[in-house]
Amino acid sequence: QEQLVESGGGLVKPGGSLRVSCAGSGFTFSDYYMSWIRQAPGKGLEWISYISSRDNTIYYADSVSGRFTISRDNAKDSVYLQMNSLRAEDTAVYYCARGDYSSSSMDVWGQGTTVTVSS
Amino acid sequence: QMTQSPSSLSASVGDRVTITCRASQSISSYLTWYQHKPGKAPKLLIYAASSLQSGVPSRFSGSGSGTDFTLTISSLQPEDFATYYCQQSYSTPQTFGQGTKLEIK
Repeated sequence: QEQLVESGGGLVKPGGSLRVSCAGSGFTFSDYYMSWIRQAPGKGLEWISYISSRDNTIYYADSVSGRFTISRDNAKDSVYLQMNSLRAEDTAVYYCARGDYSSSSMDVWGQGTTVTVSS
Repeated sequence: QMTQSPSSLSASVGDRVTITCRASQSISSYLTWYQHKPGKAPKLLIYAASSLQSGVPSRFSGSGSGTDFTLTISSLQPEDFATYYCQQSYSTPQTFGQGTKLEIK
């Protein structure tokens, strides 16, 4: 069964850092690009970052560029999001998603991990 | 930028429903529709504007290209009440529409 499982969410103070992880299973992880998407309370989905399958092509949304870093370890079937200089507006459920190059869409999603930025 | 309409919609089981998504510039057919229920992972419904994802019921369909797209549910079922999002993957940032919340009338 193809699945993604996020971990590492929690409560952090403004200005603090947190790393969330996403582990894939049931498929060849290195064949897919990976993305992070978040949903703040009461808001819609926001795409925040992308990493290619093998050559580490990376993109960020303006809202997180310079503060967040995406990375992956294909040997561990995992993708990560390092979040620095966190703000209250970064409070959200963070989802990782698998991207299929042939369809240019995200076909497998994790259940999400909650990040709360509050003093 | 992706603009969905309406932002909310009340409908009854059995109704035919159409949701619209408009891109601020041409995105060819790089348009995906997702269904999202509270507390669950978003679910891929339609990719490449009109291709039905495997396992998704045939009552869901998508159309359009360029800047104007639609998602149609031919006969609403109780499990279809959710929030629907369009997303473009033509360029980064891969923006989502603001969502359409489909509620039971």
